[in-house]
Amino acid sequence: AQSVTQLGSHVSVSEGALVLLRCNYSSSVPPYLFWYVQYPNQGLQLLLKYTSAATLVKGINGFEAEFKKSETSFHLTKPSAHMSDAAEYFCAVSVRTSYDKVIFGPGTSLSVIP
Amino acid sequence: SQTIHQWPATLVQPVGSPLSLECTVEGTSNPNLYWYRQAAGRGLQLLFYSVGIGQISSEVPQNLSASRPQDRQFILSSKKLLLSDSGFYLCAWSPLTAEAFFGQGTRLTVV
Repeated sequence: AQSVTQLGSHVSVSEGALVLLRCNYSSSVPPYLFWYVQYPNQGLQLLLKYTSAATLVKGINGFEAEFKKSETSFHLTKPSAHMSDAAEYFCAVSVRTSYDKVIFGPGTSLSVIP
Repeated sequence: SQTIHQWPATLVQPVGSPLSLECTVEGTSNPNLYWYRQAAGRGLQLLFYSVGIGQISSEVPQNLSASRPQDRQFILSSKKLLLSDSGFYLCAWSPLTAEAFFGQGTRLTVV
């Protein structure tokens, strides 16, 4: 079975500082990994995805994530935080079988301090 | 392009009343469909998923049910709502490339 953990339910950074949101996964087969962002009272928007190609994945809004198999990690980073980055971020894992069952982590709430 | 529609956006229902939330996907065929629930301050809980018409799998036993009467229509229902059914309900679909695409969600408040 697959699972996802996200270290830190709340993360605060100063505007312009590095954003680092941590994600570790568990999967018995090669996984697909995703980061989603959710703004208040909205659905989830896909930021980026890893599907077994390049291990460093670039997404929208300046975010990127690196797949590290040895560490079973898929941490999300952004060099310089903007106020508009304040949101809830979810890491997710999926395994291709006869269906795509996407399992989400508990989420990390990112606050950006001016 | 593909789009997903979910309605209503907000809903206030009394305890014991029925529920019907609808989700439709346009621009694709035979998508995998999902219902998630997000309780206040918590992550996403997968409730149901469907790989085809009439094929529903339940992840968590509860007061809710799901149906897929057409290829691109997914309905979440309840015969009698409980207070604990309050939350943010999200419908999603997945093509054969693994990621899920979400609707805008329904905020359900049971009073």
